[in-house]
Amino acid sequence: RKEVEQDPGPFNVPEGATVAFNCTYSNSASQSFFWYRQDCRKEPKLLMSVYSSGNEDGRFTAQLNRASQYISLLIRDSKLSDSATYLCVVTLSGNTGKLIFGQGTTLQVKP
Amino acid sequence: GAGVSQSPSNKVTEKGKDVELRCDPISGHTALYWYRQSLGQGLEFLIYFQGNSAPDKSGLPSDRFSAERTGGSVSTLTIQRTQQEDSAVYLCASSLSGSPLHFGNGTRLTVT
Repeated sequence: RKEVEQDPGPFNVPEGATVAFNCTYSNSASQSFFWYRQDCRKEPKLLMSVYSSGNEDGRFTAQLNRASQYISLLIRDSKLSDSATYLCVVTLSGNTGKLIFGQGTTLQVKP
Repeated sequence: GAGVSQSPSNKVTEKGKDVELRCDPISGHTALYWYRQSLGQGLEFLIYFQGNSAPDKSGLPSDRFSAERTGGSVSTLTIQRTQQEDSAVYLCASSLSGSPLHFGNGTRLTVT
C-alpha cells in the first residue's frame, strides 16, 4: 500500500463548480499535512497547510480526519486558473524532514 | 538569488555515463530535499539533508545514486552508470525547519 494515496483523476468540472479531493495516508503517526499545487511542467508550490480543526483560505477549504486517516481539499466557485494537479503531502512522525507526496489529482476546469 | 536554483536545467546523456546535478538552496535554509518525478507520476522522495548530514537516504533507488551537501548549502546528486529508467525530472527543494518547501525548477534528465 502506498504511504499517501490520491485518485489521479482527471476531474473535469465547469467553471463555478464545487469540487472536492480526498487523500488517504497509511501511517497513523503522521504529523503534518499539506496541499501543494503543480502546474504542467512546473515545480510544486504550497497551496495550504492542513490543520486538525480544518482551515479555509478564500475559495479553498482543507480538512483532516485523523480517525479515518484522510485529508480533503474543497474548491468552491472553480476558476479556469484552478486547473492544475493537486498534491497531498504528509510528514511522518519522528522524522519531520521526510515529506511524502501523493501521486496528485488532476483538475481541469472548463469554460 | 531569491529562490532555489538547479543546474543544469536539461541534461541529455548516454546510457552508462555518470551525471552530476546541482542544487543551490535558498540562503539560510537548513533542510534540503531531492525528489524525482517521472512523466505523469508523483514525486518520489530520494534523500533529505539537515545541514550537511543526511538523516534519511531511504529513497535512493540504488547504489548508483549518491548525494552530498557541503557547507550546509550546495548539494550535488550524482548518478553513476546511468540507465534509461533514470530519465526523469529531478527536483530539489529547501526549507527552514517546519516551514513549507520551496522547489527549484528541476533538472530534466534524459538517458539515451
